[in-house]
Amino acid sequence: GENVEQHPSTLSVQEGDSAVIKCTYSDSASNYFPWYKQELGKGPQLIIDIRSNVGEKKDQRIAVTLNKTAKHFSLHITETQPEDSAVYFCAATMDTGRRALTFGSGTRLQVQP
Amino acid sequence: EAGVAQSPRYKIIEKRQSVAFWCNPISGHATLYWYQQILGQGPKLLIQFQNNGVVDDSQLPKDRFSAERLKGVDSTLKIQPAKLEDSAVYLCASSPGHWYGYTFGSGTRLTVV
Repeated sequence: GENVEQHPSTLSVQEGDSAVIKCTYSDSASNYFPWYKQELGKGPQLIIDIRSNVGEKKDQRIAVTLNKTAKHFSLHITETQPEDSAVYFCAATMDTGRRALTFGSGTRLQVQP
Repeated sequence: EAGVAQSPRYKIIEKRQSVAFWCNPISGHATLYWYQQILGQGPKLLIQFQNNGVVDDSQLPKDRFSAERLKGVDSTLKIQPAKLEDSAVYLCASSPGHWYGYTFGSGTRLTVV
């Protein structure tokens, strides 16, 4: 089955700096890679996703890059704000209808004001 | 659109007791998932339903966990008997099908004492 590794486990940045979280996956058949943000006491919320037919996707201050050859993908948050503080999870699958997402272990992001 | 509803929000039980969790997915979402999230870890799949059929229950501890999805809508997850290591947040998620991310509920936090 799929195995997703995520680094770092914790990340502290100053407000306005950029943050980068990296994930690697094991199954070369995986082709859908979402990122989730989880705030305290809430369920994970989808913030951005990418499919294997593109290498990069942006949505305002967040972007995701994918390197299928190396089997890794990354989340980039620019101009971080205190409200970005949360736990972020990467995930991977080949097709959410046929196989459920496998999640990474999470990164706790702390944005210092 | 209404989100994924879960109840109860919190539950404390003694070991060897039984407990049940309920989930109501987003209307029209064919796929429903139950995940277990132990403190400090990423969500781990317990079971995936497509309509009212089971797609994947390979990681469900079937000697104590059971789940059903009646009429392809609501779902219940039961633990009997509970063990201390079952203490976790139980997340329900739904998806409209292939190639789409999940919408998670807020989860049920279970504490087994």
